[in-house]
Amino acid sequence: KAGVTQTPRYLIKTRGQQVTLSCSPISGHRSVSWYQQTPGQGLQFLFEYFSETQRNKGNFPGRFSGRQFSNSRSEMNVSTLELGDSALYLCASSRGRRPTYEQYFGPGTRLTVT
Amino acid sequence: TQLLEQSPQFLSIQEGENLTVYCNSSSVFSSLQWYRQEPGEGPVLLVTVVTGGEVKKLKRLTFQFGDARKDSSLHITAAQPGDTGLYLCAVGSGNTGKLIFGQGTTLQVKP
Repeated sequence: KAGVTQTPRYLIKTRGQQVTLSCSPISGHRSVSWYQQTPGQGLQFLFEYFSETQRNKGNFPGRFSGRQFSNSRSEMNVSTLELGDSALYLCASSRGRRPTYEQYFGPGTRLTVT
Repeated sequence: TQLLEQSPQFLSIQEGENLTVYCNSSSVFSSLQWYRQEPGEGPVLLVTVVTGGEVKKLKRLTFQFGDARKDSSLHITAAQPGDTGLYLCAVGSGNTGKLIFGQGTTLQVKP
């Protein structure tokens, strides 16, 4: 079974730009979660989508948004990029039903904002 | 304040040594997971523990969930360079896919 895929793997943007990251979950998984990982803050939850609906949201500004499509693929968007948005963005998928805290992560997208 | 406190934060040992990583909290959890992450990659799920006092083994890795389900430990026997990586404990939050992670333990095993 194919794992979680994320595109692109690497991205360099300048301040003020916006960026869209894509995630394809494991086949049959209906839940997709996004995390931001930085050396200082570690892994922090951004949001989760289940059946095209946002089910949970972390403490990030409104510049961070996401969506999920009917095939469970998900995208996240960051507008008006700031230097502090430089991070590894990880997508994880799960079946979305209890006990479903087990998540399967993609390789991540390394975003660098200059 | 971190919900999950991992210790130590960094560990550098020689091949063949044993080590233990701890994940502590003042909260009670229904389950807890351990992940390992290698540089440039996403975390990989190692194990989920759900019962207080539960012990699970994965080759040279032994995972234990505390009796009160507030803490967990990961013990590696005869560490190898391939064990090098970031070890993360995580718990679920609510009935959704949100995971809360500890800060992680960076392990380096020297040949």
